[in-house]
Amino acid sequence: AQKVTQAQTEISVVEKEDVTLDCVYETRDTTYYLFWYKQPPSGELVFLIRRNSFDEQNEISGRYSWNFQKSTSSFNFTITASQVVDSAVYFCALSILPDTGRRALTFGSGTRLQVQP
Amino acid sequence: NAGVTQTPKFQVLKTGQSMTLQCAQDMNHEYMSWYRQDPGMGLRLIHYSVGAGITDQGEVPNGYNVSRSTTEDFPLRLLSAAPSQTSVYFCASSYGHSYEQYFGPGTRLTVT
Repeated sequence: AQKVTQAQTEISVVEKEDVTLDCVYETRDTTYYLFWYKQPPSGELVFLIRRNSFDEQNEISGRYSWNFQKSTSSFNFTITASQVVDSAVYFCALSILPDTGRRALTFGSGTRLQVQP
Repeated sequence: NAGVTQTPKFQVLKTGQSMTLQCAQDMNHEYMSWYRQDPGMGLRLIHYSVGAGITDQGEVPNGYNVSRSTTEDFPLRLLSAAPSQTSVYFCASSYGHSYEQYFGPGTRLTVT
């Protein structure tokens, strides 16, 4: 079975601080995808990034960056120079690729990020 | 493209009532799924479909039924609502082999 752990329940930072959201996953499969989703106060789920298990390159998109390390089963998300608009709940998720075609996402419990002005 | 749409946005039911949550997508995605979100628990898979006419159970299927008669629509039926089904329900769809899922705006359901 798959498992995703987001140990940080809530983080509060002041605007312009850098913040890292941790994600640790468990799976026996060698092929899988990892995701980050953002859920702002309005409630919708916004896709941020997907990474497959064979691509350990870090990725940067504007103020966002992701650090994927298979050796520690971690897929951490860093926001540089945080802004109030970054306030949201962030979910890490894992998907394996079974023969059944089932594309279920296993979600972590989420980290609520509060950015204070 | 409207993406993934869900109706209604909010619903209040009494225990024992039945209802159907609607989900539609206009992206011609083959895969659709339903999740529920409860406080502190992330999202959990209820049912999913890999194409028209094919459905299967997810992690928490009890008390829910689904059907997939068309590619576009994937309704979720609550047979006899219970307070434990109070939750926010999200429908999602994906295409091809990307496994990236697009989510609808959610339905907030309260069962009293």
